[in-house]
Amino acid sequence: GQQLNQSPQSMFIQEGEDVSMNCTSSSIFNTWLWYKQEPGEGPVLLIALYKAGELTSNGRLTAQFGITRKDSFLNISASIPSDVGIYFCAGQLLGGATNKLIFGTGTLLAVQP
Amino acid sequence: DAGVTQSPTHLIKTRGQQVTLRCSPKSGHDTVSWYQQALGQGPQFIFQYYEEEERQRGNFPDRFSGHQFPNYSSELNVNALLLGDSALYLCASSSLGPFNEKLFFGSGTQLSVL
Repeated sequence: GQQLNQSPQSMFIQEGEDVSMNCTSSSIFNTWLWYKQEPGEGPVLLIALYKAGELTSNGRLTAQFGITRKDSFLNISASIPSDVGIYFCAGQLLGGATNKLIFGTGTLLAVQP
Repeated sequence: DAGVTQSPTHLIKTRGQQVTLRCSPKSGHDTVSWYQQALGQGPQFIFQYYEEEERQRGNFPDRFSGHQFPNYSSELNVNALLLGDSALYLCASSSLGPFNEKLFFGSGTQLSVL
């Protein structure tokens, strides 16, 4: 099935560092979302983006909807150990018939105290 | 306020068997979607149910079927299980109809096919 390209695949950082990850698609998306998944749990919504160029923050997290509508970026500032998990981007296609989301391949984040 | 609940949490089946997974949506939600998450991958859309009807289906064979009940809960059925069906099956619910992109996910059912 279709999946979005996410990079990097994994990141191993020290507590306090900033983190950047991105997601690209060959298709135009109407909406971009970022989710976090921890072991044994389902994905949890972090940020939703609705307009090209939109920049939205949620605490230490900031995400942007790319102006081409084919990419999105997530930044985490001053990382802490509880940021550990897998981060997924997800997009909703322009003109989609439902709220079907296409997910990225995920970025595994490990934070060393 | 209970979130999305799924049962069972874990399941082991053998090839050729049939399985039924269950999902209760978050209170106030009327739309249920099912996703399959293989190890190391992102979730893949299976199908969505709204008003007790399948609204859209992803690229999954007819062995995968579902149902939504009047109380909005849902079941996912998989027939003739294959080894490749081993995955985490996630249920997601949303409110205000089939177009609301803000999905709330359950913790999933881990299915192992031997």
